Amino acid sequence: QKEVEQNSGPLSVPEGAIASLNCTYSDRGSQSFFWYRQYSGKSPELIMSIYSNGDKEDGRFTAQLNKASQYVSLLIRDSQPSDSATYLCAASADGLTFGKGTHLIIQP
Amino acid sequence: DAGVTQSPTHLIKTRGQQVTLRCSPKSGHDTVSWYQQALGQGPQFIFQYYEEEERQRGNFPDRFSGHQFPNYSSELNVNALLLGDSALYLCASSSTDMDNQPQHFGDGTRLSIL
Repeated sequence: QKEVEQNSGPLSVPEGAIASLNCTYSDRGSQSFFWYRQYSGKSPELIMSIYSNGDKEDGRFTAQLNKASQYVSLLIRDSQPSDSATYLCAASADGLTFGKGTHLIIQP
Repeated sequence: DAGVTQSPTHLIKTRGQQVTLRCSPKSGHDTVSWYQQALGQGPQFIFQYYEEEERQRGNFPDRFSGHQFPNYSSELNVNALLLGDSALYLCASSSTDMDNQPQHFGDGTRLSIL
């Protein structure tokens, strides 16, 4: 069974610091990986996509992928209170398989 | 540029009833996927439609069925509703290549079963 594992948190980070979110996946056939942000009561919003090993940067966000270790991470630099949300990691093979999400709290 | 739109936003049904949820994909997208998100959980993949056919299906019973129309819009039907079907139902759209194209979500339909 395909699984994506995330620490549910909450993960508390001071404003201005780096938030580090991690996930692992079980299906080695997964080719594409995504990070979504979900505010309470809202739908998931795509933040980053990554398809090959290494780092991918977009503004304050950096996604990292290591297919050998089946590991995906998201770094958020200069964390802001508006970054407080649940972050969902997803792997794509047959449809998207999501983790349960990590609840991130940025403390002002 | 219209994003993914879903209707209705909220729905209340009783056990045993049937429900139909609707989704219009983002402009330029031809693939529609449906997800169920229970409280405190990540979205669970129900199925995906492309070219008016079900292309992939997750681990959901046959009570869950769908349809895609020539204009790429889609419906999710759930029969014989159970209390456990209470959840946020999310529609996501993407273009053609399922594995490599990000999916964009609508605002969802919150279904409550009494």
